Amino acid sequence: NAGVTQTPKFQVLKTGQSMTLQCAQDMNHNSMYWYRQDPGMGLRLIYYSASEGTTDKGEVPNGYNVSRLNKREFSLRLESAAPSQTSVYFCASGLLALQETQYFGPGTRLLVL
Amino acid sequence: GQQVMQIPQYQHVQEGEDFTTYCNSSTTLSNIQWYKQRPGGHPVFLIQLVKSGEVKKQKRLTFQFGEAKKNSSLHITATQTTDVGTYFCISSGTYKYIFGTGTRLKVLA
Repeated sequence: NAGVTQTPKFQVLKTGQSMTLQCAQDMNHNSMYWYRQDPGMGLRLIYYSASEGTTDKGEVPNGYNVSRLNKREFSLRLESAAPSQTSVYFCASGLLALQETQYFGPGTRLLVL
Repeated sequence: GQQVMQIPQYQHVQEGEDFTTYCNSSTTLSNIQWYKQRPGGHPVFLIQLVKSGEVKKQKRLTFQFGEAKKNSSLHITATQTTDVGTYFCISSGTYKYIFGTGTRLKVLA
């Protein structure tokens, strides 16, 4: 039982490049989330998925797209990376959307040059 | 929009001293959750409060939800070096999840 896993752990991109951050959970949770955390700051919600087949915008969705591939997997895509997207990205999952405990993955550290 | 203010932003304490962090919301919250994030780590769930005036304890940690459900506090008694990290509250109000900015706790041995 791995909980929430994220790949990659680290990534360096050049401005304009694209990439997809992967997230998977094995807890049979319905809801999944993507957050970003900037240095010394709290977490901000980018997108979330209340259940398989649905996605919704969070606080800071611009510049990102998401896909809820199945119940286990929720990916975050940067189509054209910008230096302002340098951050640590956390994926999380929970049983019920926006109500219950969230379980976080270890994070992906992204640097955009 | 809904905001959750968390104070203080930083706190340095000597080992053995007590520590308290507060979360304050401009609107009524349906519930509040507390998380701890160790340096370089990811947030880990501590507790959820739902009822007005609710108080919950976990060993040296005491969590409280205000009577008006607009504020919450986390109190640590006799801090230890293992308490080092950032403590976040999460508001689960009508504007989805909003994280408090966190209180970074440093414990000096």
